[in-house]
Amino acid sequence: QVQLVQSGAEVKKPGASVKVSCKASGYTFTSYGISWVRQAPGQGLEWMGWISAYNGNTNYAQKLQGRVTMTTDTSTSTAYMELRSLRSDDTAVYYCAREPLPTGSLPHDYWGQGTLVTVSS
Amino acid sequence: QPVLTQSSSASASLGSSVKLTCTLSSGHSSYIIAWHQQQPGKAPRYLMKLEGSGSYNKGSGVPDRFSGSSSGADRYLTISNLQSEDEADYYCETWDSNAWVFGGGTKLTVL
Repeated sequence: QVQLVQSGAEVKKPGASVKVSCKASGYTFTSYGISWVRQAPGQGLEWMGWISAYNGNTNYAQKLQGRVTMTTDTSTSTAYMELRSLRSDDTAVYYCAREPLPTGSLPHDYWGQGTLVTVSS
Repeated sequence: QPVLTQSSSASASLGSSVKLTCTLSSGHSSYIIAWHQQQPGKAPRYLMKLEGSGSYNKGSGVPDRFSGSSSGADRYLTISNLQSEDEADYYCETWDSNAWVFGGGTKLTVL
């Protein structure tokens, strides 16, 4: 069965960076993309960006351009999301979600369990 | 980019039916959307893809009690025979111009 298993919770200081992983299993990793979506406490879902596991193409939400980098390691079927220059309003649960290719053709159909990132001095 | 508008809350009694609405902004009424369910403290779960025609395709394991329909710019999620586990936040999403957009979510309370 399809599974997306994310890394554990993180606590970071303002200005630091965080890197969250998302290990996929149960399907051919390179036939799909991975989106990253975050949810601040008590708030809704915010799409952060997307990476194709097929060719590494990325597309980031405009508000995060320059601070976020998404990568994949096809040898381990793992996607990564790194967010730099962390601020308190980056405190959120970060989710990875599988996205069929080509991007935008079909919605996210499986989600990771989420990773809480807390930014606090 | 499209804007997806959802009511912030809804409520219905155990065993009854409820219809949740996601409204697409002007100029985007033909767009396909998806519905996701987020139970308290859990990750979102994909429920279905819903087209402007009203045709929908559900995700793996989604109960028959969940169905979709459309009218103009409105996309509906109907839940029949409400169960306690249906108490959750429900989000719609769509795609446009290389970005995914989510609605603000509807918090469903089962009375």
